[in-house]
Amino acid sequence: EPEVTQTPSHQVTQMGQEVILRCVPISNHLYFYWYRQILGQKVEFLVSFYNNEISEKSEIFDDQFSVERPDGSNFTLKIRSTKLEDSAMYFCASSVDKYGYTFGSGTRLTVV
Amino acid sequence: RKEVEQDPGPFNVPEGATVAFNCTYSNSASQSFFWYRQDCRKEPKLLMSVYSSGNEDGRFTAQLNRASQYISLLIRDSKLSDSATYLCVVNMYRNRDDKIIFGKGTRLHILP
Repeated sequence: EPEVTQTPSHQVTQMGQEVILRCVPISNHLYFYWYRQILGQKVEFLVSFYNNEISEKSEIFDDQFSVERPDGSNFTLKIRSTKLEDSAMYFCASSVDKYGYTFGSGTRLTVV
Repeated sequence: RKEVEQDPGPFNVPEGATVAFNCTYSNSASQSFFWYRQDCRKEPKLLMSVYSSGNEDGRFTAQLNRASQYISLLIRDSKLSDSATYLCVVNMYRNRDDKIIFGKGTRLHILP
């Protein structure tokens, strides 16, 4: 069964450092998403991406966040200057038609 | 009213019983609806999409009530492996863009 692959599975970074979370969506999917889940809380939408541009973003997705699809297969989330409150599980998801999303297994980001 | 609301539970249900939970949504223009399950510290996995006419997949039945703005999930003959958090997901198309909202989830414990 096709999978969404995320790397790394766990990243520890110091406050103020930049991090890049990587995702390889399913190859024939066209819509890409990032979500995050702070421990014990609900899954929160960050951003959706289609046709090489952001189609929707949430209030959480401020200037510190950016996404890229640099080479047609990877989909990255960059956090420029991490804060303690950015510690969360970050999930990438992709969809072929916006009906149902396949999630990656997540990257656990710990900011210290 | 919250955009997507679920009873957090937990629902403690004996094995073999039937359990049902609902999810309400605030935006009447919402277009597509899903149930996901999430095991502890794992990614959400699509359980089923919810269609206007209602749909069934084995022991699982999902229904949509647009007039009252809720969706439901019914699990028959519950198994120990059904223990998980069930996430209601609503895709509220805004203009042409997605706004995907997760409920906080309903925790289900199936008791032997």
